[in-house]
Amino acid sequence: DVKVTQSSRYLVKRTGEKVFLECVQDMDHENMFWYRQDPGLGLRLIYFSYDVKMKEKGDIPEGYSVSREKKERFSLILESASTNQTSMYLCASSLTGSNQPQHFGDGTRLSIL
Amino acid sequence: AQKITQTQPGMFVQEKEAVTLDCTYDTSDPSYGLFWYKQPSSGEMIFLIYQGSYDQQNATEGRYSLNFQKARKSANLVISASQLGDSAMYFCAMREGNFNKFYFGSGTKLNVKP
Repeated sequence: DVKVTQSSRYLVKRTGEKVFLECVQDMDHENMFWYRQDPGLGLRLIYFSYDVKMKEKGDIPEGYSVSREKKERFSLILESASTNQTSMYLCASSLTGSNQPQHFGDGTRLSIL
Repeated sequence: AQKITQTQPGMFVQEKEAVTLDCTYDTSDPSYGLFWYKQPSSGEMIFLIYQGSYDQQNATEGRYSLNFQKARKSANLVISASQLGDSAMYFCAMREGNFNKFYFGSGTKLNVKP
């Protein structure tokens, strides 16, 4: 069965901290994605990766970076957390092809105080 | 232009009745896939159903079916015999060709009334 695991369901951090959100998938998918979801704004793509060590910016990459050292793991990094990064963060993975759905983790509700 | 448009921010349906959630899309790629996801209040995104641009028949998965009208570029989700557990946000999404990016609509919040 498909499984995407995000390291934390809820996370509280302080302004200025470096924050790591981890995502692991066990489906050997080449593509992995990070989104943030805010009320009224839907899902917005932050970064995605189509292979190990490869990444592409999404729609809102400012203030974020990512790391993909292994195929199964995709990390989102908030270099210096700010209160406007309080949000729900969703990780997803997929195979390549227009018929391939994304499979999502349970999400991380991140609060920056 | 918006790639995916969901024009119904919120909808109510009576338990056991059918409901249609609207989705229109915009693409010039002949090869694309359309997806529907359900997001309960707990937050996880659940994949429901897929329709390919070359599929001749409408997709069905249990109580979910997709009313695919290619010429009108619409891919409406039909939920038959609504249940209280169907109350959630529903997102329509599209993926073009072999590109990796997905386009999501703004979602429709469905409330099923007992």
